[in-house]
Amino acid sequence: AQKVTQAQTEISVVEKEDVTLDCVYETRDTTYYLFWYKQPPSGELVFLIRRNSFDEQNEISGRYSWNFQKSTSSFNFTITASQVVDSAVYFCALSEAGIQGAQKLVFGQGTRLTINP
Amino acid sequence: KAGVTQTPRYLIKTRGQQVTLSCSPISGHRSVSWYQQTPGQGLQFLFEYFSETQRNKGNFPGRFSGRQFSNSRSEMNVSTLELGDSALYLCASSLLLAGNTGELFFGEGSRLTVL
Repeated sequence: AQKVTQAQTEISVVEKEDVTLDCVYETRDTTYYLFWYKQPPSGELVFLIRRNSFDEQNEISGRYSWNFQKSTSSFNFTITASQVVDSAVYFCALSEAGIQGAQKLVFGQGTRLTINP
Repeated sequence: KAGVTQTPRYLIKTRGQQVTLSCSPISGHRSVSWYQQTPGQGLQFLFEYFSETQRNKGNFPGRFSGRQFSNSRSEMNVSTLELGDSALYLCASSLLLAGNTGELFFGEGSRLTVL
């Protein structure tokens, strides 16, 4: 069975600090997708990134970066120079590959990130 | 481009009642998925519909059901409500094309409180 673990329940940092959110996953599939979503207080989940299991290249998007390490089954998310607007709950998720399975995401428990001014 | 719209946003029911939640996907999206979010269990997959057919189902009792209409709008129904059904119910739509893994776009959810 698939499982996603986000060991950090809550993180609180001061603005402009860098912060890393950890994500460890378990799956028996050889092909799968990993995701990060952000959930602001309004409730909707905002897509941040999707990574194919065959693509271990790290990605950077502005202040956001992701480190995918298949050897340790981890997909960590770093925010550089954090801002108050980054405060939200962040979810890591895993899905099967293929069009049908890709809609069934298994989510971690989420990490509540608070950025203090 | 309008996002995923869920109605109602908030509702209160009592035990034993039933509830129907509605989801209008992004125009052109044919896949609609439903998720339940609770403080204890987190985000859990309920089911997914594509072209009016349920293609995937999570581990929820038969009290939870859904359907999809020809215009891709979807409804989910929970019968005989229990206190534990209190949750945020999130709907997500995706555009499924050949080679596209179907990134999910979520609505703001329907928050159900069962008293």
